[in-house]
Amino acid sequence: DAKTTQPPSMDCAEGRAANLPCNHSTISGNEYVYWYRQIHSQGPQYIIHGLKNNETNEMASLIITEDRKSSTLILPHATLRDTAVYYCIVREAGANSKLTFGKGITLSVRP
Amino acid sequence: DAGITQSPRHKVTETGTPVTLRCHQTENHRYMYWYRQDPGHGLRLIHYSYGVKDTDKGEVSDGYSVSRSKTEDFLLTLESATSSQTSVYFCAISESGASGGVWHEQFFGPGTRLTVL
Repeated sequence: DAKTTQPPSMDCAEGRAANLPCNHSTISGNEYVYWYRQIHSQGPQYIIHGLKNNETNEMASLIITEDRKSSTLILPHATLRDTAVYYCIVREAGANSKLTFGKGITLSVRP
Repeated sequence: DAGITQSPRHKVTETGTPVTLRCHQTENHRYMYWYRQDPGHGLRLIHYSYGVKDTDKGEVSDGYSVSRSKTEDFLLTLESATSSQTSVYFCAISESGASGGVWHEQFFGPGTRLTVL
């Protein structure tokens, strides 16, 4: 069963911020939110993860709502190379916890 | 990029033949995984390994077996390939965090495209 809900697709203009939403209303207290992306025909690539605080790295920012039931991945200045499928995943902490990929959201960055 | 290679990158085989896919890593990571990706299904976990000779099943393990005799190699075998196993197969690796429980990110290989006729 999917633990996350994402719209199937969205687009944004090159150079603008891309805000990708994700709902995870049944997230439990020890589950992290992870984002991965997959550029056509390549293996998935880790972007960022968080538990309850907002996180930022060189690729993106992750904003998690206070109730942790939803999050937003922000690509601050989208480029054409950011066109990909983006997966929002919730996963428990723990040595045997596994990533479960849903269908993701297809982001198209237009010139 | 993490040092993960998969071989072969492309393979066409016939129904009923055995097939072995290899994943090789140079990162000395403890955990290794095999996923398959099909249109409309996203990535689905087949098997994973948490150490040499330690493996467990994922959500779509029927028809597949795995072996890990060395840290760096994780083999996926289709004993008797079927057309439903036509897919793109990805290997991934990860390492446990300093706390011993929380994983860092998984790093994925380039994929193997398998066609079973």
